[in-house]
Amino acid sequence: NAGVTQTPKFQVLKTGQSMTLQCAQDMNHNSMYWYRQDPGMGLRLIYYSASEGTTDKGEVPNGYNVSRLNKREFSLRLESAAPSQTSVYFCASSEQGSSPLHFGNGTRLTVT
Amino acid sequence: AQKVTQAQTEISVVEKEDVTLDCVYETRDTTYYLFWYKQPPSGELVFLIRRNSFDEQNEISGRYSWNFQKSTSSFNFTITASQVVDSAVYFCALSEWAGANSKLTFGKGITLSVRP
Repeated sequence: NAGVTQTPKFQVLKTGQSMTLQCAQDMNHNSMYWYRQDPGMGLRLIYYSASEGTTDKGEVPNGYNVSRLNKREFSLRLESAAPSQTSVYFCASSEQGSSPLHFGNGTRLTVT
Repeated sequence: AQKVTQAQTEISVVEKEDVTLDCVYETRDTTYYLFWYKQPPSGELVFLIRRNSFDEQNEISGRYSWNFQKSTSSFNFTITASQVVDSAVYFCALSEWAGANSKLTFGKGITLSVRP
């Protein structure tokens, strides 16, 4: 099993460009999450989806949108990238809330 | 609101030393879960342990042990006889029970360096 797959692994954007980070899980998990990791800040929740068809804001949602396309896929979109969005983005999934998270390998995004 | 504090930011030890990573949490809920994750230099996040708030028994897994004390709101992690492969960033996390809407809040992480 692949677990949680994120694409791309690396991306460089210019300020104002848009892009979508893709995430898919093959564990039939109900819940999916997007976190960002910045030096000294730990992991901060951007958006999550408790189940197919629902999405909710996390701690740092500004500048992002998400789509839970189906049970497997949860994408994160940056409509107009800003340098403050330079970060490592992790997608994760879990069977249900409070179950252990299974993480993807991350996407390193640089916005210049 | 739930909060996790990892006051230690960086720890450096020599191989075979024991090391304890501290985690203090805040929550108003009586039902919650505590986690530890490891992030080695390769960058992936690896789940280590989950405890629920009703189970204060200490846990031991090989060289790893965890001490959960509700009286001090702490969930500390000890590595015995550390090895170079233990070098990583370690995150403590808390999830208050909210059914399907439960979500993890992470501490800022502790960077552990184990020198040969």
